[in-house]
Amino acid sequence: GQQVMQIPQYQHVQEGEDFTTYCNSSTTLSNIQWYKQRPGGHPVFLIQLVKSGEVKKQKRLTFQFGEAKKNSSLHITATQTTDVGTYFCAGRRTSGTYKYIFGTGTRLKVLA
Amino acid sequence: EAGVVQSPRYKIIEKKQPVAFWCNPISGHNTLYWYRQNLGQGPELLIRYENEEAVDDSQLPKDRFSAERLKGVDSTLKIQPAELGDSAVYLCASSLDLLAEQYFGPGTRLTVT
Repeated sequence: GQQVMQIPQYQHVQEGEDFTTYCNSSTTLSNIQWYKQRPGGHPVFLIQLVKSGEVKKQKRLTFQFGEAKKNSSLHITATQTTDVGTYFCAGRRTSGTYKYIFGTGTRLKVLA
Repeated sequence: EAGVVQSPRYKIIEKKQPVAFWCNPISGHNTLYWYRQNLGQGPELLIRYENEEAVDDSQLPKDRFSAERLKGVDSTLKIQPAELGDSAVYLCASSLDLLAEQYFGPGTRLTVT
């Protein structure tokens, strides 16, 4: 079945360093959403990408959707301790029940 | 505006016992999701409702799990009987429609002993 993988699984960075997580789907996606989950918390919506090649920015966060709509990335510039958490992508299928498949997540730790 | 409400927040039961989780979505949200999240993994969809209709329950273990969404608002997820492998966090989420962002509740952490 369809899978959505994320790499890396874990990332430790020094505060101020950049961070990137990659999301890869085995099939073409209709759209993709990104969520952040703090330790002990629940997923919180960050952004949605719909168009092929789309790039969106939120302050220090930059999101990209691949041209083939099978991969996406989240880049954080100059990480801060408040960026700690697990980042999930969720891709929506283009057929069947059109459900969202969550990725495996990237857990980010920021060292002060 | 109130977010998605779930109860209970925590539940500890012995195996073979029944358990039920309740979810109150954000007012006006037609789409409701139940997810299961195991430690260190992403949420896995169990069932999705569009109003009161279950449109995707392919991942719901129907021999022991059941769900309902009466009147297209609140929803209940039940497990009977629970097994050790059911220990996880059960998340409810809602959205305006399938294309919109999902708002998650705080989840119910279930421990089966």
